[in-house]
Amino acid sequence: VIWMTQSPSLLSASTGDRVTISCRMSQGISSYLAWYQQKPGKAPELLIYAASTLQSGVPSRFSGSGSGTDFTLTISCLQSEDFATYYCQQYYSFPWTFGQGTKVEIK
Amino acid sequence: QITLKESGPTLVKPTQTLTLTCTFSGFSLSTSGVGVGWIRQPPGKALEWLALIYWDDDKRYSPSLKSRLTITKDTSKNQVVLTMTNMDPVDTATYYCAQGGVAFDYWGQGTLVTVSS
Repeated sequence: VIWMTQSPSLLSASTGDRVTISCRMSQGISSYLAWYQQKPGKAPELLIYAASTLQSGVPSRFSGSGSGTDFTLTISCLQSEDFATYYCQQYYSFPWTFGQGTKVEIK
Repeated sequence: QITLKESGPTLVKPTQTLTLTCTFSGFSLSTSGVGVGWIRQPPGKALEWLALIYWDDDKRYSPSLKSRLTITKDTSKNQVVLTMTNMDPVDTATYYCAQGGVAFDYWGQGTLVTVSS
């Protein structure tokens, strides 16, 4: 099983801030990593796959980077609609696993 | 347009078997590379991957739940069914189905299943 450490678990930020969320793997996964955004009461939505490929329709202020064991999701200029919980997920090997989530809240 | 929708009981008793159906449209589960998975989320907690079935009937399960899970597909009905035996209150969660051969591109709205006597 590949274990994931996602940090921070809670991030307080203001509109316009640049924020970064980290996801670290217990072993290398090449670039087989996805990022999701989830708003309260809603299903997750895919933001990024293959570590850095933006899903169609996702604003360009979202970006992903990393490979191997260390990955980062960056929101370059936080907007009001970005306050949500973010999850990383590896699909390098089964069982697929999700990170514990990062809640981005208004400071 | 790809859509998925989960259906099944909202309340089950401990020790009962849960059967959830994912009915989808906009894609075929007979297309090479396509998969449909199940993910759950206990209230206020993180996402947990449960199972996945591919177009070629390859099935994968969470090791911690493998003995309790069965995933099947009915390509003609555009449905994927997940059964989970011996339900316990800790299995109370929103259960999602999602499409994707790799990352999950499309998700259903989820269905909350409560396990209580």
